[in-house]
Amino acid sequence: DGGITQSPKYLFRKEGQNVTLSCEQNLNHDAMYWYRQDPGQGLRLIYYSQIVNDFQKGDIAEGYSVSREKKESFPLTVTSAQKNPTAFYLCASSIQQGTREQYFGPGTRLTVT
Amino acid sequence: LAKTTQPISMDSYEGQEVNITCSHNNIATNDYITWYQQFPSQGPRFIIQGYKTKVTNEVASLFIPADRKSSTLSLPRVSLSDTAVYYCLVGDRRAGSYQLTFGKGTKLSVIP
Repeated sequence: DGGITQSPKYLFRKEGQNVTLSCEQNLNHDAMYWYRQDPGQGLRLIYYSQIVNDFQKGDIAEGYSVSREKKESFPLTVTSAQKNPTAFYLCASSIQQGTREQYFGPGTRLTVT
Repeated sequence: LAKTTQPISMDSYEGQEVNITCSHNNIATNDYITWYQQFPSQGPRFIIQGYKTKVTNEVASLFIPADRKSSTLSLPRVSLSDTAVYYCLVGDRRAGSYQLTFGKGTKLSVIP
């Protein structure tokens, strides 16, 4: 089955700790994205990557970091600098950057206390 | 940047046709209109996209008038499983790349 996997589904961390969220895709897509969703809100773009070893900041990149060492993987690190890290994080991919059809993973719900 | 406006929520009975209208007064000439569906605690799912007139697929229809300042997503004979949030998106070009900007969407509740 082709698709996007995110793990874990639920993640709990103490304030001040960095945490890395996993995102893997086997769709052979060039572009990958990270979004954040808060309760009752739409999605906000954190980072995106068009190709391996390249990524750009989205609307709310502060306090986050990413890497794109492999085409299949786009991990997101939520650093201690992120003021309000508790949220639902969604990873997506598309055939190429600029394509309107994005495929989303199941999401990771991060709770920081 | 093109903004979209859609109703916050809608209710419908099972078996009815549901029409969700989205306004996008500042849509650019080369922008497409795209709709996504999101169930609770899941990622959004692409439903349909169009540029003008009418587009239909196995899930929905999309009606776009000639001025393209609005669009209507039509869901035929909804069932309880269509209860979800529906997002209308238009193009958002920044620095040569194309991004999707999600608003708050329309929460559709289907009633038995």
